[in-house]
Amino acid sequence: NAGVTQTPKFRILKIGQSMTLQCAQDMNHNYMYWYRQDPGMGLKLIYYSVGAGITDKGEVPNGYNVSRSTTEDFPLRLELAAPSQTSVYFCASSPTGSRSSYEQYFGPGTRLTVT
Amino acid sequence: AQSVAQPEDQVNVAEGNPLTVKCTYSVSGNPYLFWYVQYPNRGLQFLLKYITGDNLVKGSYGFEAEFNKSQTSFHLKKPSALVSDSALYFCAVKGYNNNDMRFGAGTRLTVKP
Repeated sequence: NAGVTQTPKFRILKIGQSMTLQCAQDMNHNYMYWYRQDPGMGLKLIYYSVGAGITDKGEVPNGYNVSRSTTEDFPLRLELAAPSQTSVYFCASSPTGSRSSYEQYFGPGTRLTVT
Repeated sequence: AQSVAQPEDQVNVAEGNPLTVKCTYSVSGNPYLFWYVQYPNRGLQFLLKYITGDNLVKGSYGFEAEFNKSQTSFHLKKPSALVSDSALYFCAVKGYNNNDMRFGAGTRLTVKP
C-alpha cells in the first residue's frame, strides 16, 4: 500500500492563479480531509468528505473547493490564489464505523507559496 | 465546535527523564481524543487515541495518555524520554456526533542527551 499520496510536493503560484492539489489513498477509507498548517498554528481543517459525492466545510473553507467523485481521490482546488494561502497542505484519510477507527493517516504534504 | 488547547509551545526534558505534554479539550458530549507526532518535513503520524474504556491509553513508541473527564484533559506521557522522541506533538479532538476533527497548535518536545 502506498497509503496517502499527495502531488505536487512543492509549488509556487502567482497571485490570482489557480491550481489543484491532488490527494489519493489506496486504503479504501471513506473519510478524507484537507488541512493547512501554518507555523505555530497547528492544523486547520479546510474541507472533509465522508464518502464519494459527499463533502463538507471545515474550519477555514474560504478560497478553496473540493470534489469527491471516487473513494480514492480527494482533490483540493484553489481558484484565485492569494498570499494568505501560503501554507503547507496535508491530506488525510481515516477508516470509519467501529470504535477502532477515526485515527487519520496523513500524506507527506504540499508546500505552497503564493507571491 | 470542539477545540483543543496545548498550553506549552515547548517542552524540554533530559534523556531518561519522564515527559509530559499537556492537552485540554472542549467538546459537546463524549470526546474522541488523539495524539499525533510530526517529524521535520513529514506528515503527522498517529500515536494513540481514547474512544472509550480505560482512562489510561497506551500507544506507539512507549507513549501513553491519561483521559481525565473532570479536568477535560488528555496529557501525553512517557516514563523515560529518548533523544529520538524530539518532535512536534499534536493533540486532536473529535465530537461523538460529528466528523469535524480539531487539532491543537502543537508542542515542540526537545529531549537533550
